[in-house]
Amino acid sequence: GENVEQHPSTLSVQEGDSAVIKCTYSDSASNYFPWYKQELGKRPQLIIDIRSNVGEKKDQRIAVTLNKTAKHFSLHITETQPEDSAVYFCAAPPGGATNKLIFGTGTLLAVQP
Amino acid sequence: DSGVTQTPKHLITATGQRVTLRCSPRSGDLSVYWYQQSLDQGLQFLIQYYNGEERAKGNILERFSAQQFPDLHSELNLSSLELGDSALYFCASSADWPSYNEQFFGPGTRLTVL
Repeated sequence: GENVEQHPSTLSVQEGDSAVIKCTYSDSASNYFPWYKQELGKRPQLIIDIRSNVGEKKDQRIAVTLNKTAKHFSLHITETQPEDSAVYFCAAPPGGATNKLIFGTGTLLAVQP
Repeated sequence: DSGVTQTPKHLITATGQRVTLRCSPRSGDLSVYWYQQSLDQGLQFLIQYYNGEERAKGNILERFSAQQFPDLHSELNLSSLELGDSALYFCASSADWPSYNEQFFGPGTRLTVL
């Protein structure tokens, strides 16, 4: 089936702390896992993605880890800043002849200064 | 700016009416996707077109239809509108299928049905 579960739905951290958001997917054929950030009233924008041939990818304060056996992947944000406050969505494509994305339900991250 | 354009930015209409939302993908992108985002909801995939042909369908209502034209722009038609259709509608585009590439989102069209 096509399903991506995302937790938690809301996350509040103090500035400088780390934040972790987790997603689980159902289709074992999925092999691309992007994370999007959506600020209030704005469009979703890709912040990092990972393909199934690697287990971890980093870009400055952001990292994504992938466990294909367990079918879950996580977003890690270190040294959080107030501008990291937004809704974050994970996504995964179902198997088959399409690269549509199934999105998780989103995590509202609030970074308290 | 993602390079994906959507018009109009806002649309206010009444129940029972029909509207058309327009999307122009990034230059060179052949795939166009439509998503619906209701208040406090995630991104619900509606439909994908690739180079003029329908590629995948999500939970798109029968009252909704879409098409992609030879110049690759796409239109989403919503008819017999209901209050529950009020939402933000995003279009996204990506480079060639079948490789998985970043989807670039447009600014969205906010539809309000009164």
